[in-house]
Amino acid sequence: DTAVSQTPKYLVTQMGNDKSIKCEQNLGHDTMYWYKQDSKKFLKIMFSYNNKELIINETVPNRFSPKSPDKAHLNLHINSLELGDSAVYFCASSQWISGSGETQYFGPGTRLLVL
Amino acid sequence: RKEVEQDPGPFNVPEGATVAFNCTYSNSASQSFFWYRQDCRKEPKLLMSVYSSGNEDGRFTAQLNRASQYISLLIRDSKLSDSATYLCVVKFQGAQKLVFGQGTRLTINP
Repeated sequence: DTAVSQTPKYLVTQMGNDKSIKCEQNLGHDTMYWYKQDSKKFLKIMFSYNNKELIINETVPNRFSPKSPDKAHLNLHINSLELGDSAVYFCASSQWISGSGETQYFGPGTRLLVL
Repeated sequence: RKEVEQDPGPFNVPEGATVAFNCTYSNSASQSFFWYRQDCRKEPKLLMSVYSSGNEDGRFTAQLNRASQYISLLIRDSKLSDSATYLCVVKFQGAQKLVFGQGTRLTINP
């Protein structure tokens, strides 16, 4: 049973195209995230949603648009893809539990290569 | 200065050795601290939280030094399966996001 799943796992596309990545979590968590991990392995947060509401929007080009149809899903749409968008994109979810804190659970990642 | 800094390594150590990593953070108002582990071409997974008094989980010991703003991870009796990248993660007070260090790559050699 996959807790956080992403599709597709691999995405190879041409510059200028528009693509979407989907994420679903079956953990019942309220909060979901999108991260980007570049070639230097830095993992940086892009967006976060809590109960379908955008709560974190880092400095990300507006070509990137997240959408959360419900609290179990957070999709990422990217317009006019550029070479620099090539990276691994991770979805994650979390839930604050009193006494235990908060653990983020990551999806397997989507490896995007823009040619 | 990066918000969370780690020595990227790589660290190559023989099986059975003890290895330690440090991580420094810039924001003194940091609230929560974690070590995550990321295997090659896999997603990060929580290894352990780091508590003010220090904590241990089997062969792994985490320490927090708030005065010097660093956290550490000690791995004793290292196993081949410990080979991975270890990510230092900090949650700053008032922020709803985690900030990840670059990661320290560890390879355990037979």
